[in-house]
Amino acid sequence: GDSVTQMEGPVTLSEEAFLTINCTYTATGYPSLFWYVQYPGEGLQLLLKATKADDKGSNKGFEATYRKETTSFHLEKGSVQVSDSAVYFCALRKSSGDKLTFGTGTRLAVRP
Amino acid sequence: DAGVTQSPTHLIKTRGQQVTLRCSPKSGHDTVSWYQQALGQGPQFIFQYYEEEERQRGNFPDRFSGHQFPNYSSELNVNALLLGDSALYLCASSSSGQLYNEQFFGPGTRLTVL
Repeated sequence: GDSVTQMEGPVTLSEEAFLTINCTYTATGYPSLFWYVQYPGEGLQLLLKATKADDKGSNKGFEATYRKETTSFHLEKGSVQVSDSAVYFCALRKSSGDKLTFGTGTRLAVRP
Repeated sequence: DAGVTQSPTHLIKTRGQQVTLRCSPKSGHDTVSWYQQALGQGPQFIFQYYEEEERQRGNFPDRFSGHQFPNYSSELNVNALLLGDSALYLCASSSSGQLYNEQFFGPGTRLTVL
């Protein structure tokens, strides 16, 4: 079945450091890929998405590129802030209206 | 414009009891999906409702059931609660009329089963 694998956390960085959170997926066809963020005590917020191969999703300084050849969608940010501390989830969706399949999440802690 | 709302925020039940969780979708949305998020895990899809019918279902037992009302709000019912049902239950809404049908999540209901 479909699945998403994320690097295990927690990831601890100093402010202004470079962030990479790895995400790979297994799915047939051409899924859409997403990154969601969950701040403490809150629900999930969509951070960015990509709907086809080689698409780059970006938002709030975060970027991820849909790489079909490596079945990956790694999340990157050039300079993290303390306010980026949260849990990040990679997810896929096979078609519009379909369910989301999530990874286990990666906790990011950014120190001042 | 209110986003997705869920009630209650927190709930404590004992094993064997039944629970009902409620969700109001974002304005203009007609599809509601429910997810279970165990502690330290990613959300797992339970089921999705559209036009008052269950359209998709994940790998959850029949103890988990749902309903969608004509105003698109939805309920999740869990019978014969087990300790393992303790989790954050997330509701997500979307619009069937949108091209990419993005799902918007509510803040969740945290269920504790003792």
